[in-house]
Amino acid sequence: DGGITQSPKYLFRKEGQNVTLSCEQNLNHDAMYWYRQDPGQGLRLIYYSQIVNDFQKGDIAEGYSVSREKKESFPLTVTSAQKNPTAFYLCASTILGRRTESYTFGSGTRLTVV
Amino acid sequence: ELKVEQNPLFLSMQEGKNYTIYCNYSTTSDRLYWYRQDPGKSLESLFVLLSNGAVKQEGRLMASLDTKARLSTLHITAAVHDLSATYFCAVDPKRPNDYKLSFGAGTTVTVRA
Repeated sequence: DGGITQSPKYLFRKEGQNVTLSCEQNLNHDAMYWYRQDPGQGLRLIYYSQIVNDFQKGDIAEGYSVSREKKESFPLTVTSAQKNPTAFYLCASTILGRRTESYTFGSGTRLTVV
Repeated sequence: ELKVEQNPLFLSMQEGKNYTIYCNYSTTSDRLYWYRQDPGKSLESLFVLLSNGAVKQEGRLMASLDTKARLSTLHITAAVHDLSATYFCAVDPKRPNDYKLSFGAGTTVTVRA
């Protein structure tokens, strides 16, 4: 079955440590996205990529970095510059140019600073 | 900057009664999405609305879009406990070659007997 796989499901980060969240899709979708969700709030866009080797900042990119070396993969690194990284991180993807297509979401990674 | 506002943010429903969630957005768009999220889980796509006047229905849920008023509604008919969840609307701004979703804050629905 096609879908988006995020790993790990739970991640603990120490102060000053960089961590990387994995997002892989086998839907042959063009665009991939990273969203952050804080408790009781909506989703905010961190970074997105519409084509391999290219990506754009979203609304809250500071303290995060991404790469898009393959169409199916879009890892997110939470750097030590992100002062409040505890949140639920969701990866999404979609096909470009097909108006009827929704955005598909992964199952999420819950990141906690310890 | 695109703003998406949902109301109410919290909705306590009585089983069997009808309710409406409203989603207003601040810029031109004819691409609006509704998602459902259960606690601790990911987002499940409910509806994709792609034109003015679009109406879609699935079971007890019906969504509509008025692009002139920049308003979408999610109507719940005869609420049942299984509908308890958080519902999000999201808007894709109508910009060429720039596809991304901006989300409302979500409406947390609790259905009581």
